[in-house]
Order: sequence, then C-alpha cells, then structure tokens
Amino acid sequence: SQQGEEDPQALSIQEGENATMNCSYKTSINNLQWYRQNSGRGLVHLILIRSNEREKHSGRLRVTLDTSKKSSSLLITASRAADTASYFCATGDDKIIFGKGTRLHILP
Amino acid sequence: GAGVSQSPSNKVTEKGKDVELRCDPISGHTALYWYRQSLGQGLEFLIYFQGNSAPDKSGLPSDRFSAERTGGSVSTLTIQRTQQEDSAVYLCASSPTSGSYNEQFFGPGTRLTVL
Repeated sequence: SQQGEEDPQALSIQEGENATMNCSYKTSINNLQWYRQNSGRGLVHLILIRSNEREKHSGRLRVTLDTSKKSSSLLITASRAADTASYFCATGDDKIIFGKGTRLHILP
Repeated sequence: GAGVSQSPSNKVTEKGKDVELRCDPISGHTALYWYRQSLGQGLEFLIYFQGNSAPDKSGLPSDRFSAERTGGSVSTLTIQRTQQEDSAVYLCASSPTSGSYNEQFFGPGTRLTVL
C-alpha cells in the first residue's frame, strides 16, 4: 500500500495565489521529501525535511512536518504558470515510497 | 554535468516480445533505482541497487521482470514476454549513496507501449 497519500488529488488556482498540498503517511519516518513532475516524465527533487524538523523553506516553497499527526504540507507562495505540475511526497530511506500526487494547475 | 539518461525515450512493442530499457546514472552515484508509473498514478518501486550489494528486488511485479547493473554503473531493465499491463513510463533514478537524507536524481523515463 502507498505510504504517502497526497490531498487534494487535483487543485486549480489563479496565478499569484498560494497553493497548499498535504501529505499523510502511515509509519514512522526519518525524513520526507517532496518532488515535482512535469508532463509525466522525470521527477525533480524540491525539498527534504528531516523528522526532527518542523518547518523548512526554499524560495517560494514552505514545507511543514507534524510527526505526531503523520502529515506534511507543501505551500507554494505567489504561484506562477510554471508551477503547473504534479507534486509527490515520498518517504523511506533506500526504498522510496511515493504517493499518487497532487495535480496542480495554475490558471492565467 | 550530465544527469541521469535513459534510452529509448519511447518504445512500442508487440505483446509477447522482450524489451530492454537502459539507464545511465550520474557518474559516481552508487545507488540506482527503477520505478514504474502508470497513467495518472504514483510511482511504483521496482528494484534498487547499492554498490556491490545484492539488489532489493522486492518491487518486481513478476518473474518476467529482471534488472542488472554492470560495473556499478549502467543498468538494464528487461521485461520478457511483455503484456499490455506492462505499458507505463519506466523511470530510473540515482543517488550519491543510500539511506536517509539522500536526494534521488531522476532520468526522463522510457514510455513503454505494449500493443
């Protein structure tokens, strides 16, 4: 079964708005990663947050981790058309388990 | 520097034929992974190589699937007697080492279509 489950499955927002995606997982983790995928091809690593971290920033990205609730969120601020993609959370050390992703569509 | 490369980018084959998919990881990366992604789905782990250790084959869906990694670098994923349900994008990733806190670098994938 999938370790990470993203929510919502799909999200459409206006350019300039903030986009929030959530990820829930089932077992204890050492870290959680977020990836982006454009056009159904290769994934690009966005950010990794360790289990002892609660929040991490990278440019317009903010990731939070709540290990007590086994959940993480990815916030993209001031969205742009180029942010249109699918976003996946992933957990695991060697054998990385990906969720099914959130499809984000930025409307012009 | 060069990223992970995969070939071919697209492969169309007939049911029952064998196919080989190739992955060239980033030079110096010791860990290599294969994933499969069906249309609109998440990534399904297939197999993982780390250095000279025995590979983790726990994700291979059937004995028609096999993979090898020669010289700790290039990897080939072989699917024998392909079936229509094998149609998917096959993604390869590499990372500098294994274990926690390691980012995976993905190739562009091979889109396999079994007719």
